[in-house]
Amino acid sequence: NAGVTQTPKFQVLKTGQSMTLQCAQDMNHEYMSWYRQDPGMGLRLIHYSVGAGITDQGEVPNGYNVSRSTTEDFPLRLLSAAPSQTSVYFCASSYSGTGVLLYFGPGTRLTVT
Amino acid sequence: KNEVEQSPQNLTAQEGEFITINCSYSVGISALHWLQQHPGGGIVSLFMLSSGKKKHGRLIATINIQEKHSSLHITASHPRDSAVYICAVPGGYNKLIFGAGTRLAVHP
Repeated sequence: NAGVTQTPKFQVLKTGQSMTLQCAQDMNHEYMSWYRQDPGMGLRLIHYSVGAGITDQGEVPNGYNVSRSTTEDFPLRLLSAAPSQTSVYFCASSYSGTGVLLYFGPGTRLTVT
Repeated sequence: KNEVEQSPQNLTAQEGEFITINCSYSVGISALHWLQQHPGGGIVSLFMLSSGKKKHGRLIATINIQEKHSSLHITASHPRDSAVYICAVPGGYNKLIFGAGTRLAVHP
């Protein structure tokens, strides 16, 4: 199993550009989630999904869109990048919500100039 | 809203020392997660526990639900234990709230 994969590893965007961060898992997990990690702060939930076709907002959803058309994939879209979205982004999955262990992807470091 | 506090923020130890990292939260919970973030940035789940104690190798996690407190202990610490240790608690349906982490450096 590859586990949870994220692409790209690094990305530099200019303000106003859009892009999609990819997340995929091969463990048939129902729950997938996106977090951002900023210096000195804990991980913060952006969006999550409990199954294909079902998504919901987390703590910091503004400026981000998600969709879940398959069990395996959960892409995160930045609609119009802003410097405040400079961060490290992690995708995580579990077979059943947050009541079991989470499996994290390796992260994407995003810089918006 | 649940709030999570970890202490200490930074911890330096000599190889072989016994280490304790603390996590306190404000609202009663059903379970708590401990995670490890490697120097390279990768995050690994260590434990999820709802009562008592769990042990995995040299790592021991304990939780006191009544006192809203959990501890992560590392016995016979080693430089490879150097990492950021993060606790997380439920913050709503299928949501977790994460502490800011404890940065541990173990020197040979």
